[in-house]
Amino acid sequence: KNEVEQSPQNLTAQEGEFITINCSYSVGISALHWLQQHPGGGIVSLFMLSSGKKKHGRLIATINIQEKHSSLHITASHPRDSAVYICAVRGATNKLIFGTGTLLAVQP
Amino acid sequence: EAQVTQNPRYLITVTGKKLTVTCSQNMNHEYMSWYRQDPGLGLRQIYYSMNVEVTDKGDVPEGYKVSRKEKRNFPLILESPSPNQTSLYFCASSSRSGRNNEKLFFGSGTQLSVL
Repeated sequence: KNEVEQSPQNLTAQEGEFITINCSYSVGISALHWLQQHPGGGIVSLFMLSSGKKKHGRLIATINIQEKHSSLHITASHPRDSAVYICAVRGATNKLIFGTGTLLAVQP
Repeated sequence: EAQVTQNPRYLITVTGKKLTVTCSQNMNHEYMSWYRQDPGLGLRQIYYSMNVEVTDKGDVPEGYKVSRKEKRNFPLILESPSPNQTSLYFCASSSRSGRNNEKLFFGSGTQLSVL
């Protein structure tokens, strides 16, 4: 079993829909990151969480430390949100452990 | 502009021919790391460095070397590349690992093919 699990693996949505991507982890962590990777490969950091909730534009990220779970929400989705979203946790050894990503396609 | 510069973007080589992928950051970050990305496996850490002259193995270090002689540079060296090292490689840096408001910066990636 992977230490970081994301669901769903693939997600297709219609423009305007509310989207949720989930990340569960099984190790103790000091931080959790949400990353976005567009076709063509570049990776951009969206959020770093150690507790609670953060919001940036139409993106909201939450984390529940007790349940070892985080969610990334996209409100009013747009085709330009189409990308792979990756959850990564920083464990006790300071290494980053990545989920395998969620491929999101938002159709107009 | 704050950035991580990684070169080259694409590289095709043959088995056994030593190569170096360069990584440089202009943000005075302490933490730098290398990852490889393979279909179905996600990103896996190769090596990381907490500061100058401090490096540690990640999950898949075999066949790779790194050095951190200066804070800004963290090259990845493949002494004798093999076809199973064909992959997409990323370098990343951040200010202080695990600290509040840590933000990761990634290079643009290097697509390596070893024939």
